[in-house]
Amino acid sequence: NAGVTQTPKFQVLKTGQSMTLQCAQDMNHNSMYWYRQDPGMGLRLIYYSASEGTTDKGEVPNGYNVSRLNKREFSLRLESAAPSQTSVYFCASSPGAVANTGELFFGEGSRLTVL
Amino acid sequence: RKEVEQDPGPFNVPEGATVAFNCTYSNSASQSFFWYRQDCRKEPKLLMSVYSSGNEDGRFTAQLNRASQYISLLIRDSKLSDSATYLCAVIRSSNTGKLIFGQGTTLQVKP
Repeated sequence: NAGVTQTPKFQVLKTGQSMTLQCAQDMNHNSMYWYRQDPGMGLRLIYYSASEGTTDKGEVPNGYNVSRLNKREFSLRLESAAPSQTSVYFCASSPGAVANTGELFFGEGSRLTVL
Repeated sequence: RKEVEQDPGPFNVPEGATVAFNCTYSNSASQSFFWYRQDCRKEPKLLMSVYSSGNEDGRFTAQLNRASQYISLLIRDSKLSDSATYLCAVIRSSNTGKLIFGQGTTLQVKP
C-alpha cells in the first residue's frame, strides 16, 4: 500500500545549496503535482504534470524546477535554496484530470529547512 | 487577495456541537469544489465533493452558493475525532484542472 512516496522526509540545507525532492507513485496515475504548505498560506501549487512528458507551472514556480522522469516519478529541484523556501512539500497524484473527481492522493510530505 | 479564502480559526467546540465553516472564492468561473481534511502533521485527504444541489455524507453536509461565491461545510454532532484542519479546494475552469486550496480552518473538538 505504498501509494505516493516522497524522499527525503526531512532535510536541512544552507542558503545556496541545491537539492532534489523525489516522488514516486505506484497507482499508475497520469497526473502528478508538487505543492508547498506554509502556515497561514495553505497549500500552494508549485508545478504539475498532467501526463508523462509534460510539465506546467502552478502558482509559485519561481526557484524550482521539475522533471517528470517517467509515469511513476516526478522530482522537484531547488537549484539555489533560499530561506523563503523553508516549507513542507507535498507530492500528489491523480488518475487523470483532477477536475473529474477532485481527488488528489498525497505523499506524507517532506519538511525542508533552509538556514 | 487570495483566490480561495478561509477563516483559519481555530474553532473550539464541545463534543456534540454543530459547527459550520465557509470558504469564499474569487473566480466566478470556478467549476468544481471540494473539502479536504488534514490531521496534524499529516497529508490532506479528500473529505467530500461539493455539488451544486448540496450533498450530505453522514454528519457532514456541503453546500455551494454560486451567487455569493462561497462553499460551506457543516458538521453535526461533532466528535473528538473531527479535530483537524479542513481545507477547501477549487478548480478553475480556465486551466487543465489545477486544484487551488484555501489556507484551511482548524477545528478543535473538546470533551
